[in-house]
Amino acid sequence: ELKVEQNPLFLSMQEGKNYTIYCNYSTTSDRLYWYRQDPGKSLESLFVLLSNGAVKQEGRLMASLDTKARLSTLHITAAVHDLSATYFCAVAPRMDSNYQLIWGAGTKLIIKP
Amino acid sequence: DTGVSQNPRHKITKRGQNVTFRCDPISEHNRLYWYRQTLGQGPEFLTYFQNEAQLEKSRLLSDRFSAERPKGSFSTLEIQRTEQGDSAMYLCASSLGQVLSYTFGSGTRLTVV
Repeated sequence: ELKVEQNPLFLSMQEGKNYTIYCNYSTTSDRLYWYRQDPGKSLESLFVLLSNGAVKQEGRLMASLDTKARLSTLHITAAVHDLSATYFCAVAPRMDSNYQLIWGAGTKLIIKP
Repeated sequence: DTGVSQNPRHKITKRGQNVTFRCDPISEHNRLYWYRQTLGQGPEFLTYFQNEAQLEKSRLLSDRFSAERPKGSFSTLEIQRTEQGDSAMYLCASSLGQVLSYTFGSGTRLTVV
């Protein structure tokens, strides 16, 4: 059974600091996604990572993928309050033909001014 | 196109009643997914359509749940004889072709009292 684990599940940090959210998964996968969710809102796509060593950056967020370690990271640089949200990683199991995604439990990020 | 639309946004129902939710995907997207999300958790896959064909159903989708996508356009998710454990956010997503991005709707929040 494919499992996706995120840590930490909760993170409170000051503006201007850097931090990393980790996403571990238990079996091979050919696609890893990062999504953002604001309270009461839907899921917003941030990144999709397709290959070992893939790195993508958008503003203060940078995501990377190590398929050998089955690990993805979401790094936040010089955090600002607007980045407060819950961040999810999701994995598409390889050879899964229906494109079902398996999701982590989410990391709730609070950034204090 | 304004994205994936879900109706209603909120539904409160008494235990034992039937409820139906609707999802209108992005018009050119041929793939449609239903997920369920409970508080503090990541989404859980329920079912998947490619055009009008329902190709995958999760074990979470008990006999009380049924989904349709007539003519490969909008989709409905019906829950019969609702139980308190059905209380959750029901999310619909759509995608096209090679799945590099899923677009999620705002969800329908169901409360069973």
